[in-house]
Order: sequence, then C-alpha cells, then structure tokens
Amino acid sequence: NAGVTQTPKFRILKIGQSMTLQCTQDMNHNYMYWYRQDPGMGLKLIYYSVGAGITDKGEVPNGYNVSRSTTEDFPLRLELAAPSQTSVYFCASRFETSQDTQYFGPGTRLTVL
Amino acid sequence: GDSVTQMEGPVTLSEEAFLTINCTYTATGYPSLFWYVQYPGEGLQLLLKATKADDKGSNKGFEATYRKETTSFHLEKGSVQVSDSAVYFCALSDQGGSEKLVFGKGTKLTVNP
Repeated sequence: NAGVTQTPKFRILKIGQSMTLQCTQDMNHNYMYWYRQDPGMGLKLIYYSVGAGITDKGEVPNGYNVSRSTTEDFPLRLELAAPSQTSVYFCASRFETSQDTQYFGPGTRLTVL
Repeated sequence: GDSVTQMEGPVTLSEEAFLTINCTYTATGYPSLFWYVQYPGEGLQLLLKATKADDKGSNKGFEATYRKETTSFHLEKGSVQVSDSAVYFCALSDQGGSEKLVFGKGTKLTVNP
C-alpha cells in the first residue's frame, strides 16, 4: 500500500490564481480530511468527507472547496489564492471509528505571493 | 468545543535524559487520545494512542496513560535519543459527526548528543 499520497509537494501561486491539491488513499478508508498547518500551530480542519459523495466544512473552510466522487480521491480546490492561504496542507484518512488511527500524507507546502 | 493544551516548547535535552511533555484536554464524552510525531520535512505519524480511561499507549520507548480524572495524557520517555528530535502533537478524536482530530499546538523537541 502507498498509503496517503499528495501532489504537488511544493507550489508557489500568485494572488488570485487557482489550483487543486490532490489527495489519494489506497486503504479503502471511508473518512478523509484536509488540514492546514500554520507555523507554530497545530493543525486546523478545512473540510472532511465521511464517504464518496458526502463532504462537510471544518473550522476554516473559507476560500476552499472539495469534492469526493470516489472513495480514493479527495481533491482540495483553492479558487482565488490569497496570502493568508500560505501554509502546509495535509490530507489524512481513517477507516471507520473515532478509535481508528488517522493516516497522513506527506503534505503540500503552498506559498501565495 | 473540544480542545487540547500541551506544553509549550521548544524543549532541549541531552541524550539519555528523561522526557515529559504535558497534555491536558477538554472534551464532552470520552474521546480517544493520540500522540503524533512530525519529523523535519515530513507528515505526521502516529506515535501511540489510548481509547479509554486508564489505557496506556506505548511505542518506541514512549508511553502515555489516559487519565480521565485529571483529563491528561502526558507523554514520557525514559531515555531520549538524538533521533527523537521532532515536533510532538497531542490530539483527541472529536466525538461529533466528523470525528476529526483536535490538535494541540505541538512541542518541538531537540536532543543534543
């Protein structure tokens, strides 16, 4: 199993540009998450999904959109990039219950200039 | 809402020293508790977890006990190594619909030879 994979690893955007961060997991997990990590802070939840076709907002959803058309993929879309979205983005997945471990991808470091 | 408070860092120790990183939580219900570790430039990896009161999680010489009476989950290791240098995050699994992880801010540990 590759686990949770994310692309790209690094990206620099100009203000107002758009991009999609890709996330794929091959563990047949139902739950998938997008977090952002700002320097010196813990991770904050952007969006999550409990299964294909079902998504919901987390703590900091503004400026982002997601979709979940398959169990494996959970892309995160930034429509109009702003400097406040400069961060490291982590995708994670979990099988079923709250006792199950969340597995994290390696992250995407995004800079908006 | 649920929250996690962990010891502010950074923490600097000499090799073979004893490590404690304090973590307390506020939650309704009975969350599962986790310690994740992030090595430089990498994503988060599960270090250990405990799913009910008085459970002890352990891995790689690290231990933490789920203390319901003090709402704590302190991380300990008897003898740290240089390779333990990393950022450590305490987290709880929210019992609501998303069952997302709620993270503390992280504690950076540096171990000197």
